[in-house]
Amino acid sequence: ELKVEQNPLFLSMQEGKNYTIYCNYSTTSDRLYWYRQDPGKSLESLFVLLSNGAVKQEGRLMASLDTKARLSTLHITAAVHDLSATYFCAVDSPTSGTYKYIFGTGTRLKVLA
Amino acid sequence: DTEVTQTPKHLVMGMTNKKSLKCEQHMGHRAMYWYKQKAKKPPELMFVYSYEKLSINESVPSRFSPECPNSSLLNLHLHALQPEDSALYLCASSHWTGSGANVLTFGAGSRLTVL
Repeated sequence: ELKVEQNPLFLSMQEGKNYTIYCNYSTTSDRLYWYRQDPGKSLESLFVLLSNGAVKQEGRLMASLDTKARLSTLHITAAVHDLSATYFCAVDSPTSGTYKYIFGTGTRLKVLA
Repeated sequence: DTEVTQTPKHLVMGMTNKKSLKCEQHMGHRAMYWYKQKAKKPPELMFVYSYEKLSINESVPSRFSPECPNSSLLNLHLHALQPEDSALYLCASSHWTGSGANVLTFGAGSRLTVL
């Protein structure tokens, strides 16, 4: 069974600080996705990582993928309040002629002014 | 059009009611998904349709019945639900990009309350 785990589950940090969210998954996969969800809202795509060693950056967020370790990280640089949200990683694995898309446990980030 | 539209946004129903959630996309995506999300939890996969055929059913109780009438529409029929079925129901669609990515586009969700 495909499992996707994140840590920490909850993160409270001061503005201006750096931190990393970790995502571990249990199946072999070259594709890892990061999504953001604001309270009461739906999910939006942040990053797509398609190979071992892939690194993507957007503003204060940087995501990387190590397929050998089955690990992805989401690094936050100099956090600002607007980054407060829940972040999910996700993995898709082939099943029954299609792909099962499973989300991680989520990391709820709160950035304090 | 880059949206997935879900209706209704909110639904309150009794345990004996029959209702439906609807999802529509016009992006030409050939995979469509239903997820259930409880508060402070990740989305849980319920069903996947690929080219209008049901390809994944995650052992969902039969009181939830999906339907994909055509490539743009996805329905979730609800009957004899339990209070623990109250949740946010998210529809998503996806397609494979040339680079090999399979990114989901989500609708805003339908918040269901079962009394």
